[in-house]
Amino acid sequence: QKEVEQNSGPLSVPEGAIASLNCTYSDRGSQSFFWYRQYSGKSPELIMSIYSNGDKEDGRFTAQLNKASQYVSLLIRDSQPSDSATYLCAVTLTSGTYKYIFGTGTRLKVLA
Amino acid sequence: NAGVMQNPRHLVRRRGQEARLRCSPMKGHSHVYWYRQLPEEGLKFMVYLQKENIIDESGMPKERFSAEFPKEGPSILRIQQVVRGDSAAYFCASSPGDQETQYFGPGTRLLVL
Repeated sequence: QKEVEQNSGPLSVPEGAIASLNCTYSDRGSQSFFWYRQYSGKSPELIMSIYSNGDKEDGRFTAQLNKASQYVSLLIRDSQPSDSATYLCAVTLTSGTYKYIFGTGTRLKVLA
Repeated sequence: NAGVMQNPRHLVRRRGQEARLRCSPMKGHSHVYWYRQLPEEGLKFMVYLQKENIIDESGMPKERFSAEFPKEGPSILRIQQVVRGDSAAYFCASSPGDQETQYFGPGTRLLVL
């Protein structure tokens, strides 16, 4: 079982719709969770971090964390073509240092 | 520009040559992480350093790869005797302290011919 799993996509949504991106992780004790956006050929850009169960909202983005079910999701409201990118989920593990374990990313396409 | 800086942005090497990748963390950040991204794959952790110390190198290949973060100057990731499989994007991230959010640099794209 991979430590962090994401559906590779592509996930296609029409402009203005809600895009829902999901991530599951295997380390039940993980404490820190991050969503990064990566445009093709560019570096990862932090969107949100979340540490507690529940929802965290920032503008059009909402991160949701459920530690009991070991998943974290990212909702993008009013999706725009400029949101088309690969979204990377990152998790820190219980053991060892505070390095990030990344999923392989979900490619999102927002159709105009 | 107060962000993480990496250079060169693109590096071409022939098999057997050495590659040196540099990373200057954000101002005020003393923790540096290196990640590698192979084509169509996610980022893989390589090494975590603080000034003059390697904290975690569990993701570094055992041979040919080394990293340092001297008291003065940038962090350097060194790849000796490069092979085609080393072709990838190498990203550096920095954070102000342990267990804090990491911010990524623009990356160095290494191509081994």
